[in-house]
Amino acid sequence: DTEVTQTPKHLVMGMTNKKSLKCEQHMGHRAMYWYKQKAKKPPELMFVYSYEKLSINESVPSRFSPECPNSSLLNLHLHALQPEDSALYLCASSHRNLGLAGSEQFFGPGTRLTVL
Amino acid sequence: AQRVTQPEKLLSVFKGAPVELKCNYSYSGSPELFWYVQYSRQRLQLLLRHISRESIKGFTADLNKGETSFHLKKPFAQEEDSAMYYCALSVIQGAQKLVFGQGTRLTINP
Repeated sequence: DTEVTQTPKHLVMGMTNKKSLKCEQHMGHRAMYWYKQKAKKPPELMFVYSYEKLSINESVPSRFSPECPNSSLLNLHLHALQPEDSALYLCASSHRNLGLAGSEQFFGPGTRLTVL
Repeated sequence: AQRVTQPEKLLSVFKGAPVELKCNYSYSGSPELFWYVQYSRQRLQLLLRHISRESIKGFTADLNKGETSFHLKKPFAQEEDSAMYYCALSVIQGAQKLVFGQGTRLTINP
C-alpha cells in the first residue's frame, strides 16, 4: 500500500459535537502531519508527529486534539468547533521528519469538514 | 523569517507555448525547495525537488541562490498541465516542516 488514506471523506458537525478524523499509512513512514486548507489557499501546517511523538504544534486551538496511537495511524479529535473551522483537513506522511527523507511528504485526499 | 512567494495567482497560456511559474523564497538556512501539484479532484503530490535536478513531465526547476528563486519551467505546455502549483520550502524549526507559497493556478488553453 503506497497511499495515505483518510476517513471520512466528508463530515458535517454541529458546534457541540465531538468527532474524529482518521489518517492511515502503511509505507513505514515515521513522521505524520495534519494540515488545514481553506478554499483557494495553500495547506497550513497544524501538527507534526515524529516517531509517534508530537514535534510541532503550530499554536492550534485546543478544540483540535491530535493523537498518534501507532506509527501507521494519526487521529484528529474535534470538539466544540466553530464555523470558521470548516475546511479541507489534509494528512501527510514522510519517511522521517529530519533530513532528506523528511522533506518529501505524501498527502492523503483530505476530509472536507463543515461546521454548522 | 521563512517565506515563499508565488507572485501569480493565475496564469493562462496556450497549448504548445512555454510556461514559467515563478517562486521566490526567504530563508536564512540552506534551502530545500519543492514544487507540489494538485490536479482537479486529485490529491496534492510532489512534482519535483531541487536536489534531484530531474525533469518530471517535461518540467524543470533550477535553484538560484543569488536570486533566491526556484522557478518552474516547461518549454511546451500541454492541456493536462492545467492544475494548481505550489512552491514549498523545507525549514527546520524544532522539527522539519514545509512552508507553502500561495499557489499559482495554471490553465492551458487549447
